[in-house]
Amino acid sequence: SQTIHQWPATLVQPVGSPLSLECTVEGTSNPNLYWYRQAAGRGLQLLFYSVGIGQISSEVPQNLSASRPQDRQFILSSKKLLLSDSGFYLCAWSALSGRADTQYFGPGTRLTVL
Amino acid sequence: SQQGEEDPQALSIQEGENATMNCSYKTSINNLQWYRQNSGRGLVHLILIRSNEREKHSGRLRVTLDTSKKSSSLLITASRAADTASYFCATASSGTYKYIFGTGTRLKVLA
Repeated sequence: SQTIHQWPATLVQPVGSPLSLECTVEGTSNPNLYWYRQAAGRGLQLLFYSVGIGQISSEVPQNLSASRPQDRQFILSSKKLLLSDSGFYLCAWSALSGRADTQYFGPGTRLTVL
Repeated sequence: SQQGEEDPQALSIQEGENATMNCSYKTSINNLQWYRQNSGRGLVHLILIRSNEREKHSGRLRVTLDTSKKSSSLLITASRAADTASYFCATASSGTYKYIFGTGTRLKVLA
């Protein structure tokens, strides 16, 4: 069966510090991968998605970046965090079927920037 | 802008009652999905309905889709306290890999 992991679960970082959040998927190949951010009590905002290694699409201009160094690994990074980067970050995958399909979400990382 | 908008934003009902949530969207879609999120957790997929389908059932869940009105509804029958969560709709347009999520309905089921 497929599983998706995210770490860390929680993170408290000072403003201006770097960020690296990791997401890995097991039990499937060539997944579509997604990073979302959720502000408190709000819906999900799509940040990045990837349909293959090294292929990243950015949805929202910001100081975050994403990379996909391996087929089932998706990394969200920042060189200098802002207060507004605080939120709940969710990684998700879906099968590469040529169109959007069911998404499976990881447990999320709660980031607090102080 | 948000593609999916849920209504109501919050709903409080007694255990055993039915809960209905609505989702409206703006553009043509390939499919629409409903997800549940317990507080502080990831989202769990509930049901996917394609643009050529009008109704779908899964256990106590019933989803309808009206593409002419660009709207969908999620009905949870015989609600339980464990159904307390936020519910989101997500729409995908044709030829795209991405979903746009609504702002969600917070459901509280009182025991």
